[in-house]
Amino acid sequence: SQQGEEDPQALSIQEGENATMNCSYKTSINNLQWYRQNSGRGLVHLILIRSNEREKHSGRLRVTLDTSKKSSSLLITASRAADTASYFCATSSGNTPLVFGKGTRLSVIA
Amino acid sequence: KAGVTQTPRYLIKTRGQQVTLSCSPISGHRSVSWYQQTPGQGLQFLFEYFSETQRNKGNFPGRFSGRQFSNSRSEMNVSTLELGDSALYLCASRTGGRYDTEAFFGQGTRLTVV
Repeated sequence: SQQGEEDPQALSIQEGENATMNCSYKTSINNLQWYRQNSGRGLVHLILIRSNEREKHSGRLRVTLDTSKKSSSLLITASRAADTASYFCATSSGNTPLVFGKGTRLSVIA
Repeated sequence: KAGVTQTPRYLIKTRGQQVTLSCSPISGHRSVSWYQQTPGQGLQFLFEYFSETQRNKGNFPGRFSGRQFSNSRSEMNVSTLELGDSALYLCASRTGGRYDTEAFFGQGTRLTVV
């Protein structure tokens, strides 16, 4: 079964708006990673947040992690049409393979 | 530095046939993982090879197999293809043995079984 579950499944916003995606997971983790996938292509690593971190930034991306609630959020600020993609969270405990959620499909309308 | 290369990009096979997919990891990466992606099941882990040894295997039937060569290139094979095997097959490479590090993905092989 999937470890991570993203919410919402799909999100449509206007260019310039912020997009927030959430991820919940079930077991203890070492870190949580976010990946982006453009239609039918490979995944691109966006950001990794360790279990002892609460927040991390990378450019227009902000990720939070709440291990007590077993949840994470990915915020993309000032969205652009090029941000249109599917976004996946993935978890690992270190010795177990990355387990991906089913993703959030983000559409940014110009 | 070249990225992860998967060949072929697209493949159409008939039920009952077998298929071999190839993955060349980033130079210096010793770990290669394979995933199957379908609209219904999402990304599912198939198996992972590290230094030519299979370290982990997902919940797939024995028709799915793989191997890794001494140069870290990996192949996966699916025998007796079924319609349900139609999917995007992705491989990912890592530098070392831990799973909780960044994975670099190839563009995938789109397999269609007819």
